[in-house]
Amino acid sequence: DAGVIQSPRHEVTEMGQEVTLRCKPISGHDYLFWYRQTMMRGLELLIYFNNNVPIDDSGMPEDRFSAKMPNASFSTLKIQPSEPRDSAVYFCASSLETVRTGELFFGEGSRLTVL
Amino acid sequence: AQSVAQPEDQVNVAEGNPLTVKCTYSVSGNPYLFWYVQYPNRGLQFLLKYITGDNLVKGSYGFEAEFNKSQTSFHLKKPSALVSDSALYFCAVRDNSGYALNFGKGTSLLVTP
Repeated sequence: DAGVIQSPRHEVTEMGQEVTLRCKPISGHDYLFWYRQTMMRGLELLIYFNNNVPIDDSGMPEDRFSAKMPNASFSTLKIQPSEPRDSAVYFCASSLETVRTGELFFGEGSRLTVL
Repeated sequence: AQSVAQPEDQVNVAEGNPLTVKCTYSVSGNPYLFWYVQYPNRGLQFLLKYITGDNLVKGSYGFEAEFNKSQTSFHLKKPSALVSDSALYFCAVRDNSGYALNFGKGTSLLVTP
């Protein structure tokens, strides 16, 4: 299995630009999570989906952030417009609903730098 | 809210010595606890979990964790540390929804030769 695949691995952009991060979960997994990692705040849950439907987006920082999951094999996290404080590593993870006590499988992350 | 705390930002240990990375938890109901490891520029990798049963849980790479209900702790341990164990370690707990994980701040483990 290829695992959770994220792209791009690195993104450098200027303040005000739109950023789109992409994620392909493990085939068959029906939960998908977006986390953000910073030195100051650690790992924060932004949003998660079940069967492509957003379940909890209370962690999304503000309206500049949006996430979609158009099908079971693809999700995007979009920031528009981006700001320097959005600089972080963004992780996607997936898991199986039928294994409620099971672990989350993480991608390698997308490191975002907003200048 | 379900939460965990990792009281140490960094743990230093010499190669061959036993290591302990501490974690305490605060939950309502039964705790579902996890340990993950993160190597530089990589994603988080699952090490082990406690759901129910034996208080000593064995996981990947020779790691184990001891669940202590009276002390609300879930410390990660290894009898003999390797230099290659140097990484960032996260304790986590299932959140109230039962699906997402709430992570601690992480503990940086440095194993010196």
